[in-house]
Amino acid sequence: AQSVTQLDSQVPVFEEAPVELRCNYSSSVSVYLFWYVQYPNQGLQLLLKYLSGSTLVKSINGFEAEFNKSQTSFHLRKPSVHISDTADYFCAENNAGNMLTFGGGTRLMVKP
Amino acid sequence: DAGVIQSPRHEVTEMGQEVTLRCKPISGHDYLFWYRQTMMRGLELLIYFNNNVPIDDSGMPEDRFSAKMPNASFSTLKIQPSEPRDSAVYFCASSLGGDYLFRYEQYFGPGTRLTVT
Repeated sequence: AQSVTQLDSQVPVFEEAPVELRCNYSSSVSVYLFWYVQYPNQGLQLLLKYLSGSTLVKSINGFEAEFNKSQTSFHLRKPSVHISDTADYFCAENNAGNMLTFGGGTRLMVKP
Repeated sequence: DAGVIQSPRHEVTEMGQEVTLRCKPISGHDYLFWYRQTMMRGLELLIYFNNNVPIDDSGMPEDRFSAKMPNASFSTLKIQPSEPRDSAVYFCASSLGGDYLFRYEQYFGPGTRLTVT
């Protein structure tokens, strides 16, 4: 069965520091990868996606993720975080049923 | 567009009672998904519909759970009878059809927080 592993359940970081949220996927065939963000008391929102082409994908609010096939990873990074980035982040991949398999999530806690 | 609408936002009920959660997807979206989120199990896909037809309900935990989509603009998730272990946040999401890659861009509603006492 396919699985998505997010190695860190919580990541505390100070404001304006860089951050990396780790994600490893399991699929060995064509893979599509996604990061979703969930702000407190809200549903998930698509942050960025990798479908094909450039392995580096970016969001409008400064996040980026790099697809690394050899390491089966899709880590999310931001060079300088803001308080408003505090949220839960979910990595996801397409599965055999052509739906999404979500990781367990990583809580990013940005401290002033 | 108002986005995916779910009601109620909060539901508190006693064990054994019937609970009905409601969802209005984004107009024009062909796919509708029901998820459950708990601390212990994370985000779980319960069932999804394509053009109002249930496609995969393998995530529905028990026969106590049922879902319907009578038309393109409305879906319900029913739990009867409810149990304390059903306490969770239930999300509805929808996505476009057509190019199948669009189904991965799911738009989530705000969720219904269910507490069964």
